[in-house]
Amino acid sequence: DAKTTQPPSMDCAEGRAANLPCNHSTISGNEYVYWYRQIHSQGPQYIIHGLKNNETNEMASLIITEDRKSSTLILPHATLRDTAVYYCIVRYRDNYGQNFVFGPGTRLSVLP
Amino acid sequence: ETGVTQTPRHLVMGMTNKKSLKCEQHLGHNAMYWYKQSAKKPLELMFVYNFKEQTENNSVPSRFSPECPNSSHLFLHLHTLQPEDSALYLCASSQVGSAKGGYTFGSGTRLTVV
Repeated sequence: DAKTTQPPSMDCAEGRAANLPCNHSTISGNEYVYWYRQIHSQGPQYIIHGLKNNETNEMASLIITEDRKSSTLILPHATLRDTAVYYCIVRYRDNYGQNFVFGPGTRLSVLP
Repeated sequence: ETGVTQTPRHLVMGMTNKKSLKCEQHLGHNAMYWYKQSAKKPLELMFVYNFKEQTENNSVPSRFSPECPNSSHLFLHLHTLQPEDSALYLCASSQVGSAKGGYTFGSGTRLTVV
C-alpha cells in the first residue's frame, strides 16, 4: 500500500466547509483513494473512495489532483457530529489479500 | 439485523480468565478481519480470513486465538491476557472482488484486562 500523509489535526467552524488534505505521492496507477472516519470509540465508517475522477455522495466530496499525488476530502457543511478522526488510505480496490492499513489520520474538531 | 455486530460491547477480565469476542456480519461478505486499537494509536490489523481460511496473522501473540466457523461469524478467543492487551477490538468484513472494495466495521468491544 502507498503511504499517505495527513495533518495530525484541524479545526473547522460549524456550518463551514471542512477540507481535509492527503498526500499520496507514491500512489500507483491502479490504487484507489479511500476515506474513512472514526468517531470516538466507534468502528471506522466508510465515507467515499475514488480512482482519478472527483466523486460526490451524500456525505462528502473527494477531489483528486490530476497527477493523483494528493486528494482532498470536503465536508460541505460541517456539523458538530462530524468531529472525528479521518483516515485517508490508498490500496487496490479488490486485490485479493491486500488489506487496509490505517495511519494516524487527521483529528477534525468542528467548533460551535 | 444489518451490518456487522460485535458482542459484548464492553468486557472486563482478569489475567487468568478465558473469554471470547464474537463478530457476526449480515452482509454476505466473504472476508472478515480483527483489528486492535490501543489508546491513542492507529488501528493494527491482527487477523484476516478469506473464505473462512486464515490468510494473515500479523505476529499476534498466541494468547489471542481466532476462529472462523463460517463466512458470517468470527471469534477471538482470549486467554491469560496482559494489562497491555486492554484496547478496542474491532471486527470488519468485506467482499473481495466487489466494485466498492471497502470494509464495514462493527462498533467494537472495549476490553479491559485487570
